[in-house]
Amino acid sequence: EAGVTQFPSHSVIEKGQTVTLRCDPISGHDNLYWYRRVMGKEIKFLLHFVKESKQDESGMPNNRFLAERTGGTYSTLKVQPAELEDSGVYFCASSQEMGFGEQFFGPGTRLTVL
Amino acid sequence: GENVEQHPSTLSVQEGDSAVIKCTYSDSASNYFPWYKQELGKRPQLIIDIRSNVGEKKDQRIAVTLNKTAKHFSLHITETQPEDSAVYFCAAINTGTASKLTFGTGTRLQVTL
Repeated sequence: EAGVTQFPSHSVIEKGQTVTLRCDPISGHDNLYWYRRVMGKEIKFLLHFVKESKQDESGMPNNRFLAERTGGTYSTLKVQPAELEDSGVYFCASSQEMGFGEQFFGPGTRLTVL
Repeated sequence: GENVEQHPSTLSVQEGDSAVIKCTYSDSASNYFPWYKQELGKRPQLIIDIRSNVGEKKDQRIAVTLNKTAKHFSLHITETQPEDSAVYFCAAINTGTASKLTFGTGTRLQVTL
């Protein structure tokens, strides 16, 4: 079974540019999560989709971040315009169930904003 | 909201020794505590978890203990091996209100020969 995949693995952009990250969850997983780890700090929750609906977006830092999951399959996270503090590793995770359901993580996208 | 603190940030042990990583949480309603291991260049993977109705859980060389009164939980690795070298993250979640994991800051474990 294929795991969670993310694209790209690395992205280097300049401040003010736009970047779109993609996540493909495990097939059949209705729950999709985005997390971010800024250098040396904890992995922080950004938002949670159930199918195509945003269940919880309490972790989204500001309106420069836009997440979508059209059709309830893959998800994209767009940062526009990117700022220096957006640098970090963006993880996607998916789970079959909410709550106690194991969240399977993708390999992450390392975003560097110069 | 929930806040999870994790210590130590780095830990170096000799092969064969034990390693203990400790976490505390703030929300007494949290009821599920998974531990993730992230090897260098790889994705975080769940290695063990514990629910609030259990005080201890073991899986071969790893174990997790939970003290609900004190709001802390710990990961114990016995007979450490070089392949245990990784960053370990503890997390907490209140499954009654949300599905988001609140993570600690991570512990970099180095097992030396």
